[in-house]
Amino acid sequence: DIMMTQSPLSVAVTPGESASISCRSSKSLLHSNGITYLSWYLQRPEKSPQLLIYQISNLASGVSDRFSGSGSGTDFTLKISKVETEDVGIYYCVQFLEVPWTFGGGTKLELK
Amino acid sequence: EVQLVESGGGLVQPGRSLKLSCVASGFTFSNYGMNWIRQAPGKGLEWVAYISSGSSYIYYAETVKGRFTISRDNAKNTLYLQMTSLRSEDTALYYCARHTMGITDYWGQGVMVTVSS
Repeated sequence: DIMMTQSPLSVAVTPGESASISCRSSKSLLHSNGITYLSWYLQRPEKSPQLLIYQISNLASGVSDRFSGSGSGTDFTLKISKVETEDVGIYYCVQFLEVPWTFGGGTKLELK
Repeated sequence: EVQLVESGGGLVQPGRSLKLSCVASGFTFSNYGMNWIRQAPGKGLEWVAYISSGSSYIYYAETVKGRFTISRDNAKNTLYLQMTSLRSEDTALYYCARHTMGITDYWGQGVMVTVSS
């Protein structure tokens, strides 16, 4: 199984500042078709996960452009610019390259 | 608007069975693969099972293989998860989620399953 490792476990950010979350996979997520199957989700408190980013850097419909994704192969980063109150929650990366699809352990974002 | 509404959860004794349902609306259900994904209390997300749009491809996590069965009825826009031989470690909030081209985009609100004597 592909292991997904996120860091840090938690991050505290001053509103208006930026935050970065790292995700590393145990195997390259690049498919032979040229697509890298790495997505990011935000789970706000007591809510279902919401898709933020798919295929490394594509913004999901309706998601603020304060969110951006980057990386390649096995190393990926989610950046949140100008953090707002609504960004509080747990962020998960996930690989959809091969089953079993596997999630990172999550990174909790809190406000200072 | 895409909507996924799960039902069928509850409290069940170890070793017993339970069947979850997920009714989809707001999109052409028969065109999309579907997932069940669960979250134990206070824990992270765990993928459970996937079924392709026409039921040709079905995959399970090793933790549920042989005990859970995913199925769908495209005429009823409904996804199912038949769970048997339930264990305490199956206690979780179960989400159904839409999947297409390597992207799981929309999730339901989840249904709670508690396995306890």
